[in-house]
Amino acid sequence: EADIYQTPRYLVIGTGKKITLECSQTMGHDKMYWYQQDPGMELHLIHYSYGVNSTEKGDLSSESTVSRIRTEHFPLTLESARPSHTSQYLCASSVLRDRGYTFGSGTRLTVV
Amino acid sequence: AQTVTQSQPEMSVQEAETVTLSCTYDTSESDYYLFWYKQPPSRQMILVIRQEAYKQQNATENRFSVNFQKAAKSFSLKISDSQLGDAAMYFCAYIGLDSNYQLIWGAGTKLIIKP
Repeated sequence: EADIYQTPRYLVIGTGKKITLECSQTMGHDKMYWYQQDPGMELHLIHYSYGVNSTEKGDLSSESTVSRIRTEHFPLTLESARPSHTSQYLCASSVLRDRGYTFGSGTRLTVV
Repeated sequence: AQTVTQSQPEMSVQEAETVTLSCTYDTSESDYYLFWYKQPPSRQMILVIRQEAYKQQNATENRFSVNFQKAAKSFSLKISDSQLGDAAMYFCAYIGLDSNYQLIWGAGTKLIIKP
């Protein structure tokens, strides 16, 4: 049973629209992550947070932004969506290195 | 910098048979953790099995087991009695004390189960 929730599950949106992908976890994990993944391909870290009011950019440059105002909530925002943003976005959280990450079900974004 | 390599982009196995997925990694650390994750089509990524580097005993979870060779920096996943539900992308991942709590990921192996 997932303790980390992503909404929406699928999103089709027009170019230029502002979108927010939601990610919430109920496990009290202090560390949270956003990955971008094309179908069947590798994961690319785009943002991470190690606690409230702490956010960093990942290895893959992204036009998205994130915020971490509450421990359980880590939303990702695209101010102006473009077709190049079409991808799957995965949210994950962790607390200890030896436990790995817990993932949400992902948001599949299509920008037309 | 640490790296994780999965040299098999795709593997196929007959249902009920055994398959081994390869993973090698590069690190100068002595204390770290290794993971195998499973990502079924259009479904959530889940943790399959984990291994602590300081433990010599290979981890086992039901039909899933690993062959951990620390000196060779190898961490392969063996799936016994393959089932149709095992079809998925499998990712190998590493985390060490210098990784800032970030998993280092392999590129993934797509496993196809033939009925």
